[in-house]
Amino acid sequence: ELKVEQNPLFLSMQEGKNYTIYCNYSTTSDRLYWYRQDPGKSLESLFVLLSNGAVKQEGRLMASLDTKARLSTLHITAAVHDLSATYFCAVGTLNNNDMRFGAGTRLTVKP
Amino acid sequence: EPEVTQTPSHQVTQMGQEVILRCVPISNHLYFYWYRQILGQKVEFLVSFYNNEISEKSEIFDDQFSVERPDGSNFTLKIRSTKLEDSAMYFCASSLQQDAYNEQFFGPGTRLTVL
Repeated sequence: ELKVEQNPLFLSMQEGKNYTIYCNYSTTSDRLYWYRQDPGKSLESLFVLLSNGAVKQEGRLMASLDTKARLSTLHITAAVHDLSATYFCAVGTLNNNDMRFGAGTRLTVKP
Repeated sequence: EPEVTQTPSHQVTQMGQEVILRCVPISNHLYFYWYRQILGQKVEFLVSFYNNEISEKSEIFDDQFSVERPDGSNFTLKIRSTKLEDSAMYFCASSLQQDAYNEQFFGPGTRLTVL
């Protein structure tokens, strides 16, 4: 069964600092997603990563995928308060459309 | 921009009652999903649906749950006899195609409270 682990689960950062969130998964997959969730809101798609070595960047967020290590990272550069949210990685199961989510990383960026 | 919609936004029910949660997926999408999120916890896959049948379901999706696409636009999740532990946020999602890309778009969710 596919298991997805994220760490850290809680992250408190100062504005302007950098940090990385990690997402490990247990079995082979062909796709990995990062979502953002604000409190009481739905899930907003950030990145879709499909291949080994894939790297995508949007603003202060950069996501990468290493399928051999079964690891994805979400790197935050020069954090700002607006990035405060919970970030989930989700891994697609082979030959199916469903996804398994990590536990989420609750990010708080302090001034 | 097209979006997934869900109704109601909040549903309160008594234990043992049946509830139906409704979703309108993005109009040209073919694959539909239900997920749930217990407060403060991770998002859990329940079921995926394609071509009028269930294509995948998780161990959570037991006989108390059923899904239906009663017409060309709605996609529903029915819980036959609700339990306290069914209290959660339920998200519907849809995607256009079954390929490696398969980006799923999520609705705003229905908060279900079972008393």
